[in-house]
Amino acid sequence: ELKVEQNPLFLSMQEGKNYTIYCNYSTTSDRLYWYRQDPGKSLESLFVLLSNGAVKQEGRLMASLDTKARLSTLHITAAVHDLSATYFCAATYNNNDMRFGAGTRLTVKP
Amino acid sequence: NAGVTQTPKFQVLKTGQSMTLQCAQDMNHEYMSWYRQDPGMGLRLIHYSVGAGITDQGEVPNGYNVSRSTTEDFPLRLLSAAPSQTSVYFCASSSLSSGNTIYFGEGSWLTVV
Repeated sequence: ELKVEQNPLFLSMQEGKNYTIYCNYSTTSDRLYWYRQDPGKSLESLFVLLSNGAVKQEGRLMASLDTKARLSTLHITAAVHDLSATYFCAATYNNNDMRFGAGTRLTVKP
Repeated sequence: NAGVTQTPKFQVLKTGQSMTLQCAQDMNHEYMSWYRQDPGMGLRLIHYSVGAGITDQGEVPNGYNVSRSTTEDFPLRLLSAAPSQTSVYFCASSSLSSGNTIYFGEGSWLTVV
């Protein structure tokens, strides 16, 4: 059974600093997703990673995938307050069954 | 563009009552799914559908039924509500043509007392 683990679960950063969120998954997966969720809101899709070595960047966020290590990372560059949110990774297997990590609650302080 | 529309947004049920959460999408996506999110946790897949007339169970299907009579609609039925089903429910849709991006509805907050 596919299990997804994220760490850290809580992350407090200062503005301008860099940090990485890690997402490990237990078995072979078809796709790896990263989402952002603001309090009381729905999920916003950030990245979909399909193949080994895939790297995608949007603004201050960059996601990568290493299928051999079963590891995806979400790197935050020069954090700003607007990035404060909860970030989830999720992996699919059999193309449709998606399993989520517990989420990383990010707080960016001035 | 409406995207994925869920109703109702908020609902309070008594234990043992039944109800249906509605989900509709206007993007002609073949894949639709229902998740629940409990406080401080990630989403868990309840049921999903890969097309009209086809449904399958996810990680936590017990106590829920679904049907997919049209491409657009994917209702979730709670058969006999229990306090353990108090949660936020999200409907989602996607398609290969959307680049595997999954679109989520705004969520339905359900409380069972």
